[in-house]
Amino acid sequence: DVKVTQSSRYLVKRTGEKVFLECVQDMDHENMFWYRQDPGLGLRLIYFSYDVKMKEKGDIPEGYSVSREKKERFSLILESASTNQTSMYLCASRAQGEAGGYTFGSGTRLTVV
Amino acid sequence: QKEVEQDPGPLSVPEGAIVSLNCTYSNSAFQYFMWYRQYSRKGPELLMYTYSSGNKEDGRFTAQVDKSSKYISLFIRDSQPSDSATYLCARVDSSYKLIFGSGTRLLVRP
Repeated sequence: DVKVTQSSRYLVKRTGEKVFLECVQDMDHENMFWYRQDPGLGLRLIYFSYDVKMKEKGDIPEGYSVSREKKERFSLILESASTNQTSMYLCASRAQGEAGGYTFGSGTRLTVV
Repeated sequence: QKEVEQDPGPLSVPEGAIVSLNCTYSNSAFQYFMWYRQYSRKGPELLMYTYSSGNKEDGRFTAQVDKSSKYISLFIRDSQPSDSATYLCARVDSSYKLIFGSGTRLLVRP
């Protein structure tokens, strides 16, 4: 069974901390995505990567960066966490050139205090 | 106007009812749509996808696209308490990224 694994289910961090959210997929997918999900706003795309060492800004990249050093791993970095980054973060992957659906991880609920 | 709009609900129905979940979209450039189901504290999972107009059926689920009115619907027949979840519709854009609606929360009462 294919899997997208997010390293933490729940995280609590302090304002100003640098935060790393990790995502690993075992499907050899080229494309990986980071979304945040907030009530009433749905899923909003933060960053995505079409392949190793490639990254593209999504709709809300401010305050975030990403790293894709290996095909299976896509990391989201909050450079200096702020309370408005408290959210559910979802990672997804998809095979290159496939118009089909993404496979999502279970999410990381991040609280910044 | 958001590209994909959904009524947030919650929608509460008795077990066995037919459920109709709806989305509207504003961009007609690429006619590929998906429905995801998300249980509480889980990531979304792909339920169905459909291209262009017409119906697509999978068991108790039917996805429908009406291009003329820019309307996407998901019908659930014989709804079960296990169908209680948030349902997200999504449009695939020209670069194959997904644009999601905000989701409709469904509660099926036993």
